[in-house]
Amino acid sequence: KAGVTQTPRYLIKTRGQQVTLSCSPISGHRSVSWYQQTPGQGLQFLFEYFSETQRNKGNFPGRFSGRQFSNSRSEMNVSTLELGDSALYLCASSLAGLGYEQYFGPGTRLTVT
Amino acid sequence: GIQVEQSPPDLILQEGANSTLRCNFSDSVNNLQWFHQNPWGQLINLFYIPSGTKQNGRLSATTVATERYSLLYISSSQTTDSGVYFCAVEGAGGTSYGKLTFGQGTILTVHP
Repeated sequence: KAGVTQTPRYLIKTRGQQVTLSCSPISGHRSVSWYQQTPGQGLQFLFEYFSETQRNKGNFPGRFSGRQFSNSRSEMNVSTLELGDSALYLCASSLAGLGYEQYFGPGTRLTVT
Repeated sequence: GIQVEQSPPDLILQEGANSTLRCNFSDSVNNLQWFHQNPWGQLINLFYIPSGTKQNGRLSATTVATERYSLLYISSSQTTDSGVYFCAVEGAGGTSYGKLTFGQGTILTVHP
């Protein structure tokens, strides 16, 4: 099976802009989670989607949002970008949620200037 | 929320050496996973191990949920084992339920 794919792999944006990142899970996986990784805060949970519904959300401002489509592909959106949003954004897929092994994509490295 | 502490923060080994990485967590967990992040940022799932012991080649892991810790053993280390090892848990209740909380990681460097 193909692994988790994320697009784009690298992105440079300017403060105030918005960005959309995409994640395609492993075939058959219905859960997609998103994480932000920064040198200062480490890996932090953003949200998890299952069957097009957001089941859980981490402690991030409302500028961070996401959605999941009927084919389980997921997107996350960050509006009004700030310098502190520069990070590696990782998505993980699993069969049905956190009670199953999580498989991560290669990540999208976002730089905000 | 649940706290996850990993030790040691850094570990430098010669190829062929063995090592033990530790993960302590502050509350009951539903599940626990170990990951290896390679130098390119890719997180690789090593073990899904909420309790008990598992082995996969040179790697093995043990979780003692009642004592709130997990150990990752690496035997006969190779340079390709270098990278950051993360422990991640899902808390059994409260604000930590339904999300993975990661430790800060152990940076492993294996010299030839």
